[in-house]
Parts: sequence; structure tokens; C-alpha cells
Amino acid sequence: GAVVSQHPSWVICKSGTSVKIECRSLDFQATTMFWYRQFPKQSLMLMATSNEGSKATYEQGVEKDKFLINHASLTLSTLTVTSAHPEDSSFYICSASRTRTGPNIQYFGAGTRLSVL
Amino acid sequence: ELKVEQNPLFLSMQEGKNYTIYCNYSTTSDRLYWYRQDPGKSLESLFVLLSNGAVKQEGRLMASLDTKARLSTLHITAAVHDLSATYFCAVDPEHSGTSYGKLTFGQGTILTVHP
Repeated sequence: GAVVSQHPSWVICKSGTSVKIECRSLDFQATTMFWYRQFPKQSLMLMATSNEGSKATYEQGVEKDKFLINHASLTLSTLTVTSAHPEDSSFYICSASRTRTGPNIQYFGAGTRLSVL
Repeated sequence: ELKVEQNPLFLSMQEGKNYTIYCNYSTTSDRLYWYRQDPGKSLESLFVLLSNGAVKQEGRLMASLDTKARLSTLHITAAVHDLSATYFCAVDPEHSGTSYGKLTFGQGTILTVHP
């Protein structure tokens, strides 16, 4: 149980285009989903937290108009990188948590490698 | 602001040897997580430590938590090549309004086990 599917696993796009990444919890309802960004050989940096049906909470320094997050259902959250530029190239990882109470056990997706040309 | 520091950042060790990775954090918490990441892959959960004195073991890895010292350790026993990966600790600060549920990750420890 507790499988999180992230799609696509790798995307290459031209500068100026938008890219959407999907994160689905396959066998549980995710009350909260998290989006992280990871640069090569670095740690994960939390970008935003999203709860189903409400607006995402962005971390300081993350542009909400650049990284649009939608959490339309208890099993799906999407991250759209708008007008992508080469500096947005990174590894994006989502995670999902079953509950807002108790241990914050997050289940991670496989990640999406974004390369912007 | 919560800070999580791992030590060492890079670790090269021989097969069969033992070593410990340390994870220090700067605020009160009794929830600490260890993850493994293989190159190009996402994170795999290793241990969930939820109380002071918690100790968990899985194969050649053992994790412990000392909430008073704000320290967790990941001990490797008789390392094998398959353990080569990057290991992250992550801390969940005590429930404090909107900060609940946000993990802060350490920098990661890149472990290479060689013959």
C-alpha cells in the first residue's frame, strides 16, 4: 500500500513553454501533498504544501505564479512550471501524506527530471 | 528556523566496516525520518523514529533518536556495496500551527562502499 505515482519521469522542453507534472496517490487518500525541488547532489527543498480543495502554501522565495499547484482531489495534485527557463531545470519530487494528525509519514513519488533548453 | 545538519557529507568505506552517520537538528522535535536515495531515483523510507530513545534496525542499518540531544544516528554494520546511496534525515518540528507536517531535510550523506 501507499504508492505515489508521479508523471512524467523525465521531460525536456523549450524555454518559454509550460510543463505540468502529476502526482497521484494510487491506493490511499492524500490529505496533504508536498512538492520538493532537488538540485544535483543537494538536499530536497520544500516548495509548497497543498491540501485538497484549498490553495497551496508556498515556501518563502518560491514564486506562486511560476509554480502553479492544483490539488483538485484527494488523490491528485499537479505542479505546472509556467514559462519555464533553463534555471528551472531540476528534479521535482512530490510526496503525499495520509493524515494531518499523527506521524507525518510521507510517501514519495519517483520524481520528475525537468530539462529546459 | 529549523536547521538539520548531517555529518559526514561524504563517506567512502570498505566493505565489512562499521560507521555512523549523525543528524543534528536545532529545534524541539520527536519525529525524525531516515530516507535512502539512489542516483536518479526518489526517496525510499528507511526508518520512522517517533520518541526519545527510539531505536530501529533493518538489516545492516540501525537508527536511533535522542530528542534531548537533538541527535539521531544511523549506524552501518559490516557495510556491503548495495548500501551505496545517499542517506537523508528529515525532521518534523513539533506541532506549531501551519508548520506541522513540513519536513526539513539534512544535506544528505553520500555513502560509497568499496571492496
